[in-house]
Amino acid sequence: SQELEQSPQSLIVQEGKNLTINCTSSKTLYGLYWYKQKYGEGLIFLMMLQKGGEEKSHEKITAKLDEKKQQSSLHITASQPSHAGIYLCGASIQGAQKLVFGQGTRLTINP
Amino acid sequence: NAGVTQTPKFQVLKTGQSMTLQCAQDMNHEYMSWYRQDPGMGLRLIHYSVGAGITDQGEVPNGYNVSRSTTEDFPLRLLSAAPSQTSVYFCASSYSVGLANEQFFGPGTRLTVL
Repeated sequence: SQELEQSPQSLIVQEGKNLTINCTSSKTLYGLYWYKQKYGEGLIFLMMLQKGGEEKSHEKITAKLDEKKQQSSLHITASQPSHAGIYLCGASIQGAQKLVFGQGTRLTINP
Repeated sequence: NAGVTQTPKFQVLKTGQSMTLQCAQDMNHEYMSWYRQDPGMGLRLIHYSVGAGITDQGEVPNGYNVSRSTTEDFPLRLLSAAPSQTSVYFCASSYSVGLANEQFFGPGTRLTVL
């Protein structure tokens, strides 16, 4: 089993709609990262969250790390075709010297 | 800076063959790691290194060897390739782990084992 669980595993939304992707761990998260991957390509860094309660935004994407630092959410407002891809959360769990990732969320935007 | 580079981009092997996937970074990063990506599995950590001469196992280390003789290079060796190792492999680096450091990823190596 993976130490980070993402939900949903896949998501199809109509263009213009809002959506949320979750990343959950049973342990304390240190340095929670969000990446995006276009199909068949490399990873693009989106955001990093460190502190409980922290929230960051970039354009129409907002990420939050909950107070207990065991869950993060990625919210996209007014989705566009350019948002399509695979979203991955990664984290250092309980301060361990390794970075692990969730299984990814495949996002499809229908026109 | 070239960032994180990986070679080759594509590789086809026969079962039992050996090969080395190369990874290099020119950012003087201490932390380097290897991941494999399979459909529906996200990224799974194979091996990682917190500095030259120091390596450790990740989630799926079996069938792979690594070494870190320099800060810049972190090669991944497949001693006897198996079809189960067909995957896309990513190398990543950062100043360290667990702090405010972005992980930089290479473009990936797509490996097929027949």
